[in-house]
Parts: sequence; structure tokens; C-alpha cells
Amino acid sequence: QKEVEQDPGPLSVPEGAIVSLNCTYSNSAFQYFMWYRQYSRKGPELLMYTYSSGNKEDGRFTAQVDKSSKYISLFIRDSQPSDSATYLCAMSLGGRKLIWGLGTSLAVNP
Amino acid sequence: NAGVTQTPKFQVLKTGQSMTLQCAQDMNHNSMYWYRQDPGMGLRLIYYSASEGTTDKGEVPNGYNVSRLNKREFSLRLESAAPSQTSVYFCASRNQQGNYGYTFGSGTRLTVV
Repeated sequence: QKEVEQDPGPLSVPEGAIVSLNCTYSNSAFQYFMWYRQYSRKGPELLMYTYSSGNKEDGRFTAQVDKSSKYISLFIRDSQPSDSATYLCAMSLGGRKLIWGLGTSLAVNP
Repeated sequence: NAGVTQTPKFQVLKTGQSMTLQCAQDMNHNSMYWYRQDPGMGLRLIYYSASEGTTDKGEVPNGYNVSRLNKREFSLRLESAAPSQTSVYFCASRNQQGNYGYTFGSGTRLTVV
């Protein structure tokens, strides 16, 4: 079993939809949780960061961490074609190395 | 622009050839990383450097060597390229404070024939 599981999709939604992306993990010691966005032929870029449990909101993006269920989510409201990308979750104990999900491919159709 | 710069962007090698991938960051980050990204395999850590003068193996170090030349630069060398090393290679550096997030370069697409 991988430490971090993420459904690779692809996920296809119409413009304006609410998108939910999820990861599950097995190591209850993880404390730092991140979401990265990767456009085609580009490097990943940090989108959202959460420490421990709870929610964090930034514009149309909301990140949630449920440590009791070992489950993290990224919600995208009013999705736009420019949100079409691969979304990777990543987490760590607070040390140097991140543990990565495989990424979910999202297409937002006009 | 501040960030991570990788060169070259594209490269084709013949089996057995050697090459060095270059990476430089101008954000004064201590930690730097080399990843490879393959379809269905995700990002896999090859080597990392926690600080200038130190390097450590990641998940898939075989066939690679690294050099942390100074705080800014971290290079990845393929001594004898193999088709299994065909991949997209990303260099990243890590913020020491705040969110500890990684900043990635734009990648090197390497094909070994």
C-alpha cells in the first residue's frame, strides 16, 4: 500500500462546476499537507498549504485536512478552463522530504 | 525572475552517453532536490541536498550522481545513460521558513535512445 493514495482521474467537469479532489494517507504522523498544480510541460507549483487539521481558503480554492480519517481535500469553486491541470497532493512529517500522490488530471470544459 | 532555473530543457542521448543536468536557484534556499517524473509513477526523488556540502540518496539513485557546487547550484549527472532513464527531470528547492513549500524548475525532458 502506498503511503499516499490519489485517484489519477481523469476528471472532466463543465465550466463553473465545483471540483473536489482528494487524497488518503496511511501515516498518522504527517503534519504538513500541500496541494500543487502542474500545467502540461511545466513544473509543479505550490497552490495550497495546511499545517495539521482544519480548513484553509484562498480565493476559489479551499483545502481541508481531516486527520482522524487521514483524508485531505481540495475544492475548486466556479471552476475555469484555466484550472485544467494535474493536481498533486503532498505531505510530510516536517522534515525535508515530501511524500507525493500520483496526481489527478482535471479538465474544465468551456 | 526569482526561482529555479534548469538547463537544458530538452536532450536526446544515445545509450551509454553521459550528461549533466544543471540547476540553480536564487532564493537563498538551503535544501535542493532532483526528481524524475514518469507516467503512472509520479514524482520520485533521486537525490537531495539538505545544505551546501551534503547530499543524500532518495528513492531511485541508481545510475545518477549529484554535486552541490555551492548554495545556489545542484547538478545531476548521468554517467552512462540507459533507456530506462528516459524521463522528465525536475529540480526543486525548499523554503526553510513559513510553509516549507518546494519551488520547482520547468524541467528537462530527456530521451535516451
